[in-house]
Amino acid sequence: AQSVTQLDSQVPVFEEAPVELRCNYSSSVSVYLFWYVQYPNQGLQLLLKYLSGSTLVKGINGFEAEFNKSQTSFHLRKPSVHISDTAEYFCAVTSSYGNKLVFGAGTILRVKS
Amino acid sequence: DTEVTQTPKHLVMGMTNKKSLKCEQHMGHRAMYWYKQKAKKPPELMFVYSYEKLSINESVPSRFSPECPNSSLLNLHLHALQPEDSALYLCASSQDYGQIETQYFGPGTRLLVL
Repeated sequence: AQSVTQLDSQVPVFEEAPVELRCNYSSSVSVYLFWYVQYPNQGLQLLLKYLSGSTLVKGINGFEAEFNKSQTSFHLRKPSVHISDTAEYFCAVTSSYGNKLVFGAGTILRVKS
Repeated sequence: DTEVTQTPKHLVMGMTNKKSLKCEQHMGHRAMYWYKQKAKKPPELMFVYSYEKLSINESVPSRFSPECPNSSLLNLHLHALQPEDSALYLCASSQDYGQIETQYFGPGTRLLVL
């Protein structure tokens, strides 16, 4: 079975600063990784996904993530955040045996002016 | 169009009420999902429908009854709920199940059980 650990429950950062949200996974089989964002009182929106190929994945809103198989990580990064990036971010994993998403506990990104 | 719609947005019900949550997508997706999300927690899978048949039931209590009337619609019938069932209920859909398909989520129905 797969599992996901998001190492930070909250990340405060000033506007225009870079940010990294950390995600580690465990699985005995090949995995596929996703980052979703949830704005207050809304559903989840896909930011980016890694299925195969290049380990650096670019997503919407200027976010990117790097798949690191040796470190079993899929950290999310943005070089310069905006106030509007304030939201909760979920890392999720699934495997080739089905489409059941397993989510991490979430990281709340708070961007301050 | 990558939109999944859910109605109602908010719902307050008593423990003896019967209500239904509705989800709709017009992307031609053949897999649809119900998730439950408690406050400050990640979404937890409840049910998966694939080609209008129930594929996965994650040991959900029978007071939650899903229904998939057609390939575009997914309902969740609620009866005799408990206050601990108060949560955000999210619907999602994907092109297929059993493949690595992106799940598209609706905005959710926020349910309060009194």
